Amino acid sequence: AQSVTQPDIHITVSEGASLELRCNYSYGATPYLFWYVQSPGQGLQLLLKYFSGDTLVQGIKGFEAEFKRSQSSFNLRKPSVHWSDAAEYFCAVGESGYSTLTFGKGTMLLVSP
Amino acid sequence: DAMVIQNPRYQVTQFGKPVTLSCSQTLNHNVMYWYQQKSSQAPKLLFHYYDKDFNNEADTPDNFQSRRPNTSFCFLDIRSPGLGDAAMYLCATSKGTAGEQYFGPGTRLTVT
Repeated sequence: AQSVTQPDIHITVSEGASLELRCNYSYGATPYLFWYVQSPGQGLQLLLKYFSGDTLVQGIKGFEAEFKRSQSSFNLRKPSVHWSDAAEYFCAVGESGYSTLTFGKGTMLLVSP
Repeated sequence: DAMVIQNPRYQVTQFGKPVTLSCSQTLNHNVMYWYQQKSSQAPKLLFHYYDKDFNNEADTPDNFQSRRPNTSFCFLDIRSPGLGDAAMYLCATSKGTAGEQYFGPGTRLTVT
């Protein structure tokens, strides 16, 4: 069965600093990988996805993520964080064919002035 | 704009009083999902419809039911809400199950 681990429950970053949120997955074949963001009281918004091809994927709002098969990781990065990026971030994994997504427990990002 | 709409955004119900949450979509996606999300937790899949085929997660309580009368609409029925059912309920859609899911804004359910 597939699983997702987000080892950091909370992360605090200063505004303007760089950000990296970690995600590790467990799945035998090539997974489909996603990052979602959730603002308080809102639904989830897709930031980016990886299906195949280039292992560095670009998303919305200046985010990018890199798929590293050897490390079973799909870390999310942003070079300069803005206060509006404060939210909860969820990594998710799916598999090809008939499958549903498995979500990690989320990482809450706090942005300090 | 194509979107996923959930009504109401906030629902208050009494312990044991049946409640129905609504989801509609204009994306024409064939798969619709219902998730339960409790505070500071990941969304937990309750069930999903692949076209008209209903797929229940093994650990979804019998208290939760769903209906999908057509492609655009899906309902979540909670037959006898308990205090532990207070949560955010998220509806999502996708084109097939392997693609990205599009989420609605959620319905916050309070049980008194």
